[in-house]
Amino acid sequence: DAGVIQSPRHEVTEMGQEVTLRCKPISGHDYLFWYRQTMMRGLELLIYFNNNVPIDDSGMPEDRFSAKMPNASFSTLKIQPSEPRDSAVYFCASSLVIGLYGYTFGSGTRLTVV
Amino acid sequence: GDSVTQMEGPVTLSEEAFLTINCTYTATGYPSLFWYVQYPGEGLQLLLKATKADDKGSNKGFEATYRKETTSFHLEKGSVQVSDSAVYFCALKGAQKLVFGQGTRLTINP
Repeated sequence: DAGVIQSPRHEVTEMGQEVTLRCKPISGHDYLFWYRQTMMRGLELLIYFNNNVPIDDSGMPEDRFSAKMPNASFSTLKIQPSEPRDSAVYFCASSLVIGLYGYTFGSGTRLTVV
Repeated sequence: GDSVTQMEGPVTLSEEAFLTINCTYTATGYPSLFWYVQYPGEGLQLLLKATKADDKGSNKGFEATYRKETTSFHLEKGSVQVSDSAVYFCALKGAQKLVFGQGTRLTINP
């Protein structure tokens, strides 16, 4: 199994530009989570999906952030317009039975907004 | 609500020292408990888990025992190596998601 695949690994963009981060969960996993990690705020849950349906987006910082899961094998996190304070590492994770197996995380996307 | 409290870091030890990273939790019932490890530049990886009270999880020389009496799940290793330098996260299974502690940064000096 290839694990959770995120792309790109690194993204550098200018303030005001649109940024799209991508995630392919493990096949058969029905939960998908998006996290953001910074030194200042640690690991923050942004949004999660169950069976492609958004369940809780209360962690999305503001309307500039949006996430979609059009099918079971693909999800995107979009920031429009991007700001320097969005610079962070963004992780995607997927799970089948959380209580038994926990999550499997991707390698993350390091976003730098200049 | 559910919460996890971890030992404040950073923690610095010498190679071959004994390691303990404390983790306590607040939750309804007896949730599954996890330890994750994050090496520099990588995502979080599951290190070990315990799904019921009194279970002991173990992996790569690390151990943790689910103690419901003290609501704790402390991580231990008898002899640490430089390669164990990483950030360690304790987590519990809440309602449809994991609840993570703030992470403890561990540095092992040769």
